[in-house]
Amino acid sequence: KAGVTQTPRYLIKTRGQQVTLSCSPISGHRSVSWYQQTPGQGLQFLFEYFSETQRNKGNFPGRFSGRQFSNSRSEMNVSTLELGDSALYLCASSLGNGELFFGEGSRLTVL
Amino acid sequence: TQLLEQSPQFLSIQEGENLTVYCNSSSVFSSLQWYRQEPGEGPVLLVTVVTGGEVKKLKRLTFQFGDARKDSSLHITAAQPGDTGLYLCAGALRGSGGGADGLTFGKGTHLIIQP
Repeated sequence: KAGVTQTPRYLIKTRGQQVTLSCSPISGHRSVSWYQQTPGQGLQFLFEYFSETQRNKGNFPGRFSGRQFSNSRSEMNVSTLELGDSALYLCASSLGNGELFFGEGSRLTVL
Repeated sequence: TQLLEQSPQFLSIQEGENLTVYCNSSSVFSSLQWYRQEPGEGPVLLVTVVTGGEVKKLKRLTFQFGDARKDSSLHITAAQPGDTGLYLCAGALRGSGGGADGLTFGKGTHLIIQP
């Protein structure tokens, strides 16, 4: 079956702009979580959605937000981009048992 | 302070050698997972261990969960260039309910196997 699909794979933005990233989970997976990966901090949890509801949120500023649609697809948005937001953003879907299936990620560069 | 410490941070060895990487914590985990991430890709789940002292084998890879469920190791026998990647451990704290927020990732071990 198809894996987790993230779009776009690569994008370049400038400081102050906003960005929206998309994630389509594995069919049947209702849990979608988002992570930020940087060389210095590793993988850091952003938020998790289950059945269109945000279940938990990590320790990130309010500029980071997300949502989940009725078909389980999810989007995350980062507003007022800062240089430090440059990272690989990973989406993972799950059956809710803690075992995550990751997409290939969206590589964001902020100039 | 990182909840899960992985060591070594970087490891470069020749094809055919054996190696062990470690994942340590002072916290007790209900389960621990190992992922491998190749350049330009997302992490891929290799194994989940749930019982203290548990040993799981996946071809040339052997995973062990510590008796006290605070640490884990990954041993690779006769490493091959295809084993190259970032190896991440992730622990689920007891009582975390199985959600993604309950998973804590280590920073990983960058492994390079030279032909």
